[in-house]
Amino acid sequence: TQLLEQSPQFLSIQEGENLTVYCNSSSVFSSLQWYRQEPGEGPVLLVTVVTGGEVKKLKRLTFQFGDARKDSSLHITAAQPGDTGLYLCAGVRTSGTYKYIFGTGTRLKVLA
Amino acid sequence: GAVVSQHPSWVICKSGTSVKIECRSLDFQATTMFWYRQFPKQSLMLMATSNEGSKATYEQGVEKDKFLINHASLTLSTLTVTSAHPEDSSFYICSAPGDPLPYEQYFGPGTRLTVT
Repeated sequence: TQLLEQSPQFLSIQEGENLTVYCNSSSVFSSLQWYRQEPGEGPVLLVTVVTGGEVKKLKRLTFQFGDARKDSSLHITAAQPGDTGLYLCAGVRTSGTYKYIFGTGTRLKVLA
Repeated sequence: GAVVSQHPSWVICKSGTSVKIECRSLDFQATTMFWYRQFPKQSLMLMATSNEGSKATYEQGVEKDKFLINHASLTLSTLTVTSAHPEDSSFYICSAPGDPLPYEQYFGPGTRLTVT
């Protein structure tokens, strides 16, 4: 069962455009992480958000954790071709067995 | 940063044979490692949590007798796909959490398994 739904699933935009990716769940997580994955490689961590309502910025990327810690968003300003990749959110569960639940993924393609 | 390696990076095997995939933490110790499976253009699905010195914890729907996990040391976990079938073809990725809380996961480069 996939507990984290991401939207959109696919996104193809022109260089310079802005975009937002959403990660939604009915479950509460201790924290939430965003990863980016290139084809044939493992995911690479972009950010971890811990506190409800938290906003973090990483250059042109802005991440927000929902107040109830059930959802998150990733906003990219002035997208560049180098932003192309698979974006994955991952909810962190610390009750019981410590584990990460990955979202359904958003495949982004930025055209030059 | 912490490095996790996987071996082999790709493998082709015949249906009915078994394949072992190794996951190593190169510069840190990992009492826990995670094994994921990823189908083309899809997200990662957690298969099991590998625990050093004890049995692995499998996710619902994952056959533990088919996907054997052994965490023999603080730097090595192995996943053996037994009696492989074409439907087992996939991209298998391992990860090890670092510290502090909340742990960042350090992912291996993945192993692409093709069963013919």
